[in-house]
Amino acid sequence: QQPVQSPQAVILREGEDAVINCSSSKALYSVHWYRQKHGEAPVFLMILLKGGEQKGHDKISASFNEKKQQSSLYLTASQLSYSGTYFCGTHISGGYNKLIFGAGTRLAVHP
Amino acid sequence: DAGVTQSPTHLIKTRGQQVTLRCSPKSGHDTVSWYQQALGQGPQFIFQYYEEEERQRGNFPDRFSGHQFPNYSSELNVNALLLGDSALYLCASSFGVGANEQFFGPGTRLTVL
Repeated sequence: QQPVQSPQAVILREGEDAVINCSSSKALYSVHWYRQKHGEAPVFLMILLKGGEQKGHDKISASFNEKKQQSSLYLTASQLSYSGTYFCGTHISGGYNKLIFGAGTRLAVHP
Repeated sequence: DAGVTQSPTHLIKTRGQQVTLRCSPKSGHDTVSWYQQALGQGPQFIFQYYEEEERQRGNFPDRFSGHQFPNYSSELNVNALLLGDSALYLCASSFGVGANEQFFGPGTRLTVL
């Protein structure tokens, strides 16, 4: 039931773009994206509800393909502050807000 | 506006002991979820409390129990500690039980020796 994230790790130079994918075998009601820096709590980035919407703020955006049960997180013109581990949390349709998290994607941005 | 707070920050226990972790939700939030995060892994859902009742539970044994108080704060209790219980325990709060954003606290690092 755990969603599968890909890639497992990404190394970028400042200013480069990256895409992180999250795929589930279950029908999804929503997908939540978080970033966690070493030794800190996960920080909420955005939530996408079923309906295929796309969201974004600043240079981070995400899409949700309900039919494919997939979500992608887009990081454009990456900054050093984007470094960390990105997790997608999936909320299966019909249940309370129980989030099942993927194993994470480690992103390192270098100058 | 205070965010989610957790106590204690760190805790060291020995096998077989019992532990209680505490969480105060973000102002305006009434739902508390608990997660266990092992090193290098994503958070794993333990359970969720809303209106002082356990609403959802993950795949954790009965040794893990919890409570929510009328002021929405919550406790996580773990009995008969095992070495494998060593992890970061995260509390997340949200408003209601729908698909709302959850905000995480700083966590409690539990080490079982």
